[in-house]
Amino acid sequence: DARVTQTPRHKVTEMGQEVTMRCQPILGHNTVFWYRQTMMQGLELLAYFRNRAPLDDSGMPKDRFSAEMPDATLATLKIQPSEPRDSAVYFCASGLISSGYNEQFFGPGTRLTVL
Amino acid sequence: KQEVTQIPAALSVPEGENLVLNCSFTDSAIYNLQWFRQDPGKGLTSLLLIQSSQREQTSGRLNASLDKSSGRSTLYIAASQPGDSATYLCAVSTYNTDKLIFGTGTRLQVFP
Repeated sequence: DARVTQTPRHKVTEMGQEVTMRCQPILGHNTVFWYRQTMMQGLELLAYFRNRAPLDDSGMPKDRFSAEMPDATLATLKIQPSEPRDSAVYFCASGLISSGYNEQFFGPGTRLTVL
Repeated sequence: KQEVTQIPAALSVPEGENLVLNCSFTDSAIYNLQWFRQDPGKGLTSLLLIQSSQREQTSGRLNASLDKSSGRSTLYIAASQPGDSATYLCAVSTYNTDKLIFGTGTRLQVFP
């Protein structure tokens, strides 16, 4: 049963600390997305990759957030330094995206609390 | 700018009822529309995907329809069960980006 996995599932940290979240997309999927979910804003895209190349990171505060795909089986989202307003659930999703077809499968999320 | 709206925001029904959840979007130039369910504290589970050339999709007791010209989709749940209790989200993708634009969700409670 192929699924997207994320680690850690929960993270509590203090303001100013570095946070790294990891995602293993479904094998064979060509596109990986990072979304953030908050009560106020709902689900919003932070960044996404196609065949490991970044396509859009316009949703990400670039002074503190960075996203990478070191290889096809790992995507990372890093926050440095973290702030209380970064508290949210961060979802990774992957899909085999092609012209006319865009179905995305989500991981269980990382619940981040910044104190 | 594409905006996605879902009504009602919350719904509480006795089990056995047939339900209709609504999703509307402002820009009809969509690629796909995807329905998800989210259980409390959990991730999103994909329920149905409707491509822009399709009018509906069915999976078990779920049926989703798409009317691009009017900017609407409905999710029909037949014979609801307590296990259907969750938040249901619709999301659209457009031609100029692969990102999904989400609605605010409908929180469904089905009581025995």
